Amino acid sequence: EIVLTQSPGTLSLSPGERATLSCRASQSISSTYLAWYQQKPGQAPRLLIFATSTRATGIPDRFSGSGSGTAFTLTVSRLEPEDFAVYYCQHYDSSPPMHTFGQGTKLEIK
Amino acid sequence: EVQLVQSETEVKKPGESLKISCKGSGYNFTNYWIGWVRQMPGKGLEWMGIIYPGDSDTRYSPSFQGQVTMSADRSTSVAYLQWSSLKASDTAMYFCARLVPVFAPSQWGQGTLVIVSS
Repeated sequence: EIVLTQSPGTLSLSPGERATLSCRASQSISSTYLAWYQQKPGQAPRLLIFATSTRATGIPDRFSGSGSGTAFTLTVSRLEPEDFAVYYCQHYDSSPPMHTFGQGTKLEIK
Repeated sequence: EVQLVQSETEVKKPGESLKISCKGSGYNFTNYWIGWVRQMPGKGLEWMGIIYPGDSDTRYSPSFQGQVTMSADRSTSVAYLQWSSLKASDTAMYFCARLVPVFAPSQWGQGTLVIVSS
């Protein structure tokens, strides 16, 4: 079973700054099956990025994803007030079908 | 418009049974996997498993195997998550999601809060 470890646990930044969030897999995974979600309090998760670097519909281009193998990154180039939330990476294993989330990174206003 | 509408908040006692629902609309319910995700208070997201309404093929995450039962009714386009005997530790928000794409679900229900307390 793949384990995803996100770092840092909490990231304190100011609007306008750049945010870099890390997700490490316990073993090498296909970049097709790595996604990022944003969750705000009281809301369902929202898909930001799939297949490591493809933005979902309607996601601003300040969000970008990169990585391969066991190391993946979500970058927010210039933080807007609405970007402060919890971010999760997620992996899908096709055989057998199974999804796994990382434990999350909380992005908070400094 | 594709929608997933979940049932309302439930307050139950330990040992009671419960079935919560997720109704899909705006698409062919039979043809897409539905997944369930648990979020305990103040904690992260956990995948519980997935079900294919077309043939009720169900895959549980190891942590949830034997703890819950997933089902789907094709005639009413509703997926269900049920417990036979609730525990206080089942207190959580539960989300359903339509697996489109299957590897990164983009459509989610609004969540059902389950509170289990004596």
